[in-house]
Amino acid sequence: ENVLTQSPDTLSLSPGEGATISCRASQSVLINYLAWYQQKPGQAPRLLIYGVSSRATGIPDRFSGSGSGTDFTLSINRLEPEDSAVYFCQQFGSSPLFTFGPGTKVEI
Amino acid sequence: QVQMQESGPGLVKPSQTLSLTCSVSGDSVSSDSHHWNWFRQPAGKGLEWIGRIHISGSTNYNPSLKRRVTVSLDTSKNQFSLKLSSMTAADTAVYFCARSNVLQSYGLDVWGQGTTVTVSS
Repeated sequence: ENVLTQSPDTLSLSPGEGATISCRASQSVLINYLAWYQQKPGQAPRLLIYGVSSRATGIPDRFSGSGSGTDFTLSINRLEPEDSAVYFCQQFGSSPLFTFGPGTKVEI
Repeated sequence: QVQMQESGPGLVKPSQTLSLTCSVSGDSVSSDSHHWNWFRQPAGKGLEWIGRIHISGSTNYNPSLKRRVTVSLDTSKNQFSLKLSSMTAADTAVYFCARSNVLQSYGLDVWGQGTTVTVSS
């Protein structure tokens, strides 16, 4: 199993600041099948980034992804209060097909 | 706009089989570009993939659940379903259906709102 770890566990930031969340995989991620999601309480996850760095439909350019191999980063610029959520990374390809990081809670 | 909606019992007795259905609107489950997935998330915990199906008939399951899981497709109703047998308290969770998009590196681009399933006698 390709285990994903994230850091930090929690980020407390002010509006307008930037956030950087790291995701590390225990094995190299297949063909850069690495995605990022945002989840707010009581809601389903929302796809932010797929293929390491491509923004999903409707996602503002304040969100960006980077990385390769086993180390990946989600950056959020110019934080807004509505960005308060849990963010987690996800890989596709290794067995089991989908695994997720434990999540990083961002508090604005 | 593509929407997905889970339906099924909110309460299941131990040892029983859970049956959930995901209704899809705005897209066809016969699409060659998409797989149809089930996930679950225990309260306060992370997401776990359960299994997926493609219109070709291909299915894949999480090895940890494989012996208890069946995912099936009903093209006439534009739905897909999950059956999870031998339920225990450890299976209590919010269950989500979601679409994975081949054209977006298998990103999970559409999700249902989730349905809470509690296992209790």
